[in-house]
Amino acid sequence: DTGVSQDPRHKITKRGQNVTFRCDPISEHNRLYWYRQTLGQGPEFLTYFQNEAQLEKSRLLSDRFSAERPKGSFSTLEIQRTEQGDSAMYLCASSLGGAAGTEAFFGQGTRLTVV
Amino acid sequence: GDSVTQMEGPVTLSEEAFLTINCTYTATGYPSLFWYVQYPGEGLQLLLKATKADDKGSNKGFEATYRKETTSFHLEKGSVQVSDSAVYFCALTGSVDNFNKFYFGSGTKLNVKP
Repeated sequence: DTGVSQDPRHKITKRGQNVTFRCDPISEHNRLYWYRQTLGQGPEFLTYFQNEAQLEKSRLLSDRFSAERPKGSFSTLEIQRTEQGDSAMYLCASSLGGAAGTEAFFGQGTRLTVV
Repeated sequence: GDSVTQMEGPVTLSEEAFLTINCTYTATGYPSLFWYVQYPGEGLQLLLKATKADDKGSNKGFEATYRKETTSFHLEKGSVQVSDSAVYFCALTGSVDNFNKFYFGSGTKLNVKP
């Protein structure tokens, strides 16, 4: 069990550029979540996948954001035309979904800075 | 909609002091409750959980009891260490509004001084 891994750990980009983040979940986990965390706040839900299907998206996820999970394995989160307000920590988590109270395991996050 | 309210921080304690971090929730249904901990520059780690009323979660000297009558899940530790300095998040899942995702409070920062 190597845990949830995210790449890159840090990303600095200029406003208007596109960025893509990758998440590799724990291998047997069927659920994968993306959260966003700003300084001093708790994680806010963005979207989640059950296997390869994206089952729920938050209203926070504007049209500039897109997430995929091809073949139900790794996932990517792309932000197009980045804005300064997109600066945040992007967290990925995975779980073996289904049973009540199943915990999510989080990666170390990707910190995005838009300048 | 759901809400998770945590006491505002930072909480500053001396080593070996008793810790309580309050968490209350509002949710419809039968949520499971969690405490996660986040060390600087890191992701979140599960500290403990409880899945139904009156359950007590415990781990590494931390405890929390799921109190449905007061809709609370307060975190306690009898004797804190400097290494416990971190941000603590209360969270729920399994409610009507957050059945398949986790809803977090805003976090409480704990500073433990030697």
